[in-house]
Parts: sequence; structure tokens; C-alpha cells
Amino acid sequence: GIQVEQSPPDLILQEGANSTLRCNFSDSVNNLQWFHQNPWGQLINLFYIPSGTKQNGRLSATTVATERYSLLYISSSQTTDSGVYFCAVSITNAGKSTFGDGTTLTVKP
Amino acid sequence: DGGITQSPKYLFRKEGQNVTLSCEQNLNHDAMYWYRQDPGQGLRLIYYSQIVNDFQKGDIAEGYSVSREKKESFPLTVTSAQKNPTAFYLCASSSDRVWGTQYFGPGTRLTVL
Repeated sequence: GIQVEQSPPDLILQEGANSTLRCNFSDSVNNLQWFHQNPWGQLINLFYIPSGTKQNGRLSATTVATERYSLLYISSSQTTDSGVYFCAVSITNAGKSTFGDGTTLTVKP
Repeated sequence: DGGITQSPKYLFRKEGQNVTLSCEQNLNHDAMYWYRQDPGQGLRLIYYSQIVNDFQKGDIAEGYSVSREKKESFPLTVTSAQKNPTAFYLCASSSDRVWGTQYFGPGTRLTVL
């Protein structure tokens, strides 16, 4: 099956700092999503981005499908950005949806 | 409001008992999914369903069963055959095709006593 590796596993920032989270995957995929899991366990969909670049406020994401990686950028971090960020990939009709182990982000005031 | 609801939020079960977790969505989505999350780990796919009366096994289906009798509902039964059922269970749905943008419910925390 597809292997998904996220880095770094843990990240601690001061409020206002910028960060880059990375997701590497082992095979060609049709679908890639970034999620934020808050401290209560709720997963929030950030981006659906199988290729290209998208931006939403302070967050942006880039997927380079040919090189099998995706990046999530968080600018001007806030304490509410704390939580776990997951990358999930899948191949349509392959019957698999694979999540990475996540990056745990802690933003300190 | 449109969304996905899961119930109960917390569930305690004695060993040997079957339990059913509820997942309902009013987003008119065709596809629905069940995932399991263990502490400090990512999500693993248990079952998914593309349309009513059809469902497929995911990576860790053993010890679980599902049904899809209505478009809005996709209940998950954790059977006594599941050796280590204590986990956080998340339900999701997506609109026009399997593996499109997935939206998640709030989850159910199951603890086996």
C-alpha cells in the first residue's frame, strides 16, 4: 500500500512565527487532503489539493504530484493553530485511504 | 445546519459485548467512511460505502461490521471478535465520489472495561 510520511513529528513555535509541514507519499495519488485535528478530536478539512497551490487566509498548501510531496504553510501562527495536522492520500477506486501519523503543532503565547 | 453527527460521544463496553456506533449525515453525500484512531497515530480505514446497500472493507475490517440501508446513515458495529476495540472512532462522508473531499463527524470514544 501507499506509505505516507509526515515531518516533523512535533513542532513548537512562538505565536507569530511561520512554519512548513511536509507530507511525502510513496506512489502516485489522485487525492490528497490536509486536516487539522483540534484538542477535542474534531478533524477540520483544510485543503483538498491533489496538485497545485491553494491559499486560505494564513494557510496555504502546495502539492507537487510528480515528486510525491505536499507542503502546508502556516503563517503568523496563533495559539488556536495548535493541534495535529494530518495528510491523507488515496487512489480513486483503489479502495485505500492512507493517513500519515501527523505533525503535532504547539503554538505558545 | 448541514453536517455529520455521531453518537454517543463516549461509550463504555464490557468485554464480550457488541456495540453499535451511530453516524448520520444530512449533506446528501453518497460516500461514507469509518476510521479508527489510536493514541498518537493517524487514522486507519475500517469500512467505506459508495452507495446505499453497498460497502467495502478497508485496511482493518476484522471484528467490525457495517450496514448502509439509508443514504444518511452508516452505523458501525464493534463485535466481540475485535481484540482491541478501545479507540477513537471517526465517521466521514464525501460528496460526488469516493475519496473526494472528506468531512468528518466529531467522533466516538469507545472504552472496553
